Amino acid sequence: AQSVSQHNHHVILSEAASLELGCNYSYGGTVNLFWYVQYPGQHLQLLLKYFSGDPLVKGIKGFEAEFIKSKFSFNLRKPSVQWSDTAEYFCAVNERASKIIFGSGTRLSIRP
Amino acid sequence: ETGVTQSPTHLIKTRGQQVTLRCSSQSGHNTVSWYQQALGQGPQFIFQYYREEENGRGNFPPRFSGLQFPNYSSELNVNALELDDSALYLCASSLDRGEQETQYFGPGTRLLVL
Repeated sequence: AQSVSQHNHHVILSEAASLELGCNYSYGGTVNLFWYVQYPGQHLQLLLKYFSGDPLVKGIKGFEAEFIKSKFSFNLRKPSVQWSDTAEYFCAVNERASKIIFGSGTRLSIRP
Repeated sequence: ETGVTQSPTHLIKTRGQQVTLRCSSQSGHNTVSWYQQALGQGPQFIFQYYREEENGRGNFPPRFSGLQFPNYSSELNVNALELDDSALYLCASSLDRGEQETQYFGPGTRLLVL
């Protein structure tokens, strides 16, 4: 069965530090990849998505992610984090139609 | 804000009871998906409805059922509640049912089963 792994459960960074959150998926065929974010007290919302083409995708709020097919990875990056980036981040994948598989999430805490 | 609303926000039930959770999709969105998010976990796909018919289902037993109505509202029904059903239930609407459609999530209903 398809699965998504997020190895970092909780990441703590200082403001202005660089961020990289890991995501690996198990499916070997064509996939659609997503990063969602849940800010405290807010709805889950889409950060960015990859369907095809340029493997480096840019999302909202300065986030980007790189799809590396050979490594089955879709890591999220941001060069300089802000306190407002404190949130839970979820990687997700679907290979067809309706079913999106989410990872277990990474909680990001930013020290001001 | 995503334009997707859910009710109620919180609910407490006892084991064996039945519960109905409601979702109002964005206007024009003909697809709704439901997810269960246990504490400390990512959302797990329950099922999706497209134009009032089930369009895919995750690994949930038949006591989890749903309905979608023409007015962009939908329901998740859970019968014979178990303690493990305690979770945040999310609905997400999308314009269409394709795998590349962006899903817009509601705030969720937190269900506690005692």
